[in-house]
Amino acid sequence: DADVTQTPRNRITKTGKRIMLECSQTKGHDRMYWYRQDPGLGLRLIYYSFDVKDINKGEISDGYSVSRQAQAKFSLSLESAIPNQTALYFCATSDWGQGASDTQYFGPGTRLTVL
Amino acid sequence: AQTVTQSQPEMSVQEAETVTLSCTYDTSESDYYLFWYKQPPSRQMILVIRQEAYKQQNATENRFSVNFQKAAKSFSLKISDSQLGDAAMYFCAYRGSTSGTYKYIFGTGTRLKVLA
Repeated sequence: DADVTQTPRNRITKTGKRIMLECSQTKGHDRMYWYRQDPGLGLRLIYYSFDVKDINKGEISDGYSVSRQAQAKFSLSLESAIPNQTALYFCATSDWGQGASDTQYFGPGTRLTVL
Repeated sequence: AQTVTQSQPEMSVQEAETVTLSCTYDTSESDYYLFWYKQPPSRQMILVIRQEAYKQQNATENRFSVNFQKAAKSFSLKISDSQLGDAAMYFCAYRGSTSGTYKYIFGTGTRLKVLA
């Protein structure tokens, strides 16, 4: 089984709809991240969480919100989707502390299309 | 603020040959981490190699090696004996080590084509 899973893998929705992307991990890592990938722009950080009680905005958080339900679960919500949120979304996890390197491990991605 | 630049949007290499992908970065920190990730058509982001800035020795992983030039702020990836399965997007990433810079910063990627 994959260490970092994302659901759904693909989603098509309409402008104005609320949508939630979910991420779960079995790696036991404290740190979790949400990125979006657009052609020619690489990966940009939306939100990150260093533990269950710690949520931080990334460089492009407008229009998004997150929830860290447990150490293993980190959800991304689009409250009112718009077409320019069409992108590939990645969840990632990392481990930090003595002996850990904070290397990020990625989920398989969610392809979101907003019509 | 830190930045990461990949100036080659696309590269091609003949199967079994060697190719080098370039990455430069800008930072005022002395300690940090650098990474190369591979994204094949399956779109999964896969860690290829990691380099700690305090280590002078260049990291290697089988056919993949880096040329880390700290003074020049350069971090290139060399792929030896290229295989068809190496065809992918390659992203360079930087992670700082001081408070406020723990986030990863990614370059815009280089698409590598491997020719049979």
